[in-house]
Amino acid sequence: GAVVSQHPSWVICKSGTSVKIECRSLDFQATTMFWYRQFPKQSLMLMATSNEGSKATYEQGVEKDKFLINHASLTLSTLTVTSAHPEDSSFYICSAVPGSSSYGYTFGSGTRLTVV
Amino acid sequence: GESVGLHLPTLSVQEGDNSIINCAYSNSASDYFIWYKQESGKGPQFIIDIRSNMDKRQGQRVTVLLNKTVKHLSLQIAATQPGDSAVYFCAEISGGYNKLIFGAGTRLAVHP
Repeated sequence: GAVVSQHPSWVICKSGTSVKIECRSLDFQATTMFWYRQFPKQSLMLMATSNEGSKATYEQGVEKDKFLINHASLTLSTLTVTSAHPEDSSFYICSAVPGSSSYGYTFGSGTRLTVV
Repeated sequence: GESVGLHLPTLSVQEGDNSIINCAYSNSASDYFIWYKQESGKGPQFIIDIRSNMDKRQGQRVTVLLNKTVKHLSLQIAATQPGDSAVYFCAEISGGYNKLIFGAGTRLAVHP
């Protein structure tokens, strides 16, 4: 079946630094990837939609200059949290959709970001 | 994001009982719905899906019911097992946008 790998699974960084999270589709090509953020005991909130070769589309209230998304290939999307602050600490999850299907959403295992 | 950021309600059941988890969705134009299971520290895991032209779909030990009139989904788990303990989310897709939007979620606690 479709597998999405997310790396790292957890990261601790200092305030003011930047952190990059990778999302890879291992056995299929993903024209679209989605990035979510999940705070403790809450639901997944969609941050942005990443399309290969084009600019990401951000949800209302998500700062595009703070959360940089790059989808340079059909198997890799990256989310960079720039100038991280403690309030950015969260669980970040990506999802990838195969190019041939709009409904085959596969999720990564998530990245726990802690900003100290 | 568009999902509701509320603290999760909890459904407690005895092992072997049937569980029913409910979800209200927001967009009457949504045409595809998915139930996910999420264990602590992991990404969501697909359970079952249903399209808007159906009102019921069954899987192994799970059934999803869709009531479009009141924009309501339910997930029924038969003979609930301790391994079913997790948080369950419904998610909807609005046609033409392909964005998967999650509902608030319910924590299922299965007691022996």
